[in-house]
Amino acid sequence: DGGITQSPKYLFRKEGQNVTLSCEQNLNHDAMYWYRQDPGQGLRLIYYSQIVNDFQKGDIAEGYSVSREKKESFPLTVTSAQKNPTAFYLCASSPLTSGGQETQYFGPGTRLLVL
Amino acid sequence: GQNIDQPTEMTATEGAIVQINCTYQTSGFNGLFWYQQHAGEAPTFLSYNVLDGLEEKGRFSSFLSRSKGYSYLLLKELQMKDSASYLCAVLDSNYQLIWGAGTKLIIKP
Repeated sequence: DGGITQSPKYLFRKEGQNVTLSCEQNLNHDAMYWYRQDPGQGLRLIYYSQIVNDFQKGDIAEGYSVSREKKESFPLTVTSAQKNPTAFYLCASSPLTSGGQETQYFGPGTRLLVL
Repeated sequence: GQNIDQPTEMTATEGAIVQINCTYQTSGFNGLFWYQQHAGEAPTFLSYNVLDGLEEKGRFSSFLSRSKGYSYLLLKELQMKDSASYLCAVLDSNYQLIWGAGTKLIIKP
């Protein structure tokens, strides 16, 4: 059964703590993305990767880090430098075509809350 | 700067038709997407337009006018399950998706 999985569904972070959000896909997609969604706002791109061992900063990368050691996996770490991490985090993936991008498909999301 | 505008909220009646508009100003254009997002869930793909005109897919249709920087999503025979947010997103010249804030659609019986 192909798809994108994210874990955990809910995550609680203490002050000064780093936390890692998991994202796995078995769709054989080349590109993967991390977005942050806050109430009443559009999705904002944190990081994206189009190939293994390479990734690019999005619009709001400060306080976040990623890795892409495997095609299937694109974990996001929310570091203590991110002062306002409470949000809904969405991972997406897409195939890459000659046009540069195809439709993005989303995982179920992780809701991060600060204690 | 790049900008996508959608109404914040709309209300419609079950069985009726509703049109959700999206206007955009982006650096280049390589297509426009519509996604549906139920509260607390992930967005799901509805439609993609890259050429002018109307694309019909069951109860949902999407229209694009590139010269006007305008699109709309048309939902017919509304059902209660259509209550959701509808997100408009444009693929710019760098093939980056620029997202609107979404339109929350409330369906009343």
